[in-house]
Amino acid sequence: AQSVTQLGSHVSVSEGALVLLRCNYSSSVPPYLFWYVQYPNQGLQLLLKYTSAATLVKGINGFEAEFKKSETSFHLTKPSAHMSDAAEYFCAVSEDTGNQFYFGTGTSLTVIP
Amino acid sequence: SAVISQKPSRDICQRGTSLTIQCQVDSQVTMMFWYRQQPGQSLTLIATANQGSEATYESGFVIDKFPISRPNLTFSTLTVSNMSPEDSSIYLCSVVTHTEAFFGQGTRLTVV
Repeated sequence: AQSVTQLGSHVSVSEGALVLLRCNYSSSVPPYLFWYVQYPNQGLQLLLKYTSAATLVKGINGFEAEFKKSETSFHLTKPSAHMSDAAEYFCAVSEDTGNQFYFGTGTSLTVIP
Repeated sequence: SAVISQKPSRDICQRGTSLTIQCQVDSQVTMMFWYRQQPGQSLTLIATANQGSEATYESGFVIDKFPISRPNLTFSTLTVSNMSPEDSSIYLCSVVTHTEAFFGQGTRLTVV
């Protein structure tokens, strides 16, 4: 069985500060891992994905995430937050291509000017 | 990649009525997924729709309430039947191609 846990439903950071959104997963096989972003009143957009290649994955808008098998984690980071980063972020896991995705409960990011 | 067109984008419906949501994909896909996103919550999978067979429903969701059609490899519909205010939610369709999930823009449903 697969599951995703996102620690912290709400995260607030100051503009220019480090963004760290936490995600831990549970999977019986090597997983595919994803971060999606949802801006207000919009659909989900892929930020980045891990599919068993490099453990440090770079995505769009300056975000990156590191797959740590020993910690079963896939935390999302960005060195310097922008106001435009305010959104809902979802971590997701899939065990196979073409298979269903399992989503975490989401983390709402607020950026304070 | 895949581009998904979902409609309607939003609707306000009377309780007891039904709404059918359409999802059109620009490429052929084996499985299409229907999710519900209740206010302030994450995505919950309703069902998986395969072309040519009955949809597979997740625990807590039943075909009588959420009938799904999948007439071909690029199209699916989800009907929300006999609606109540508790059905107010965003409904999204999704496909997975080459390890990435793509989503429609969602249907924002309000039941009054």
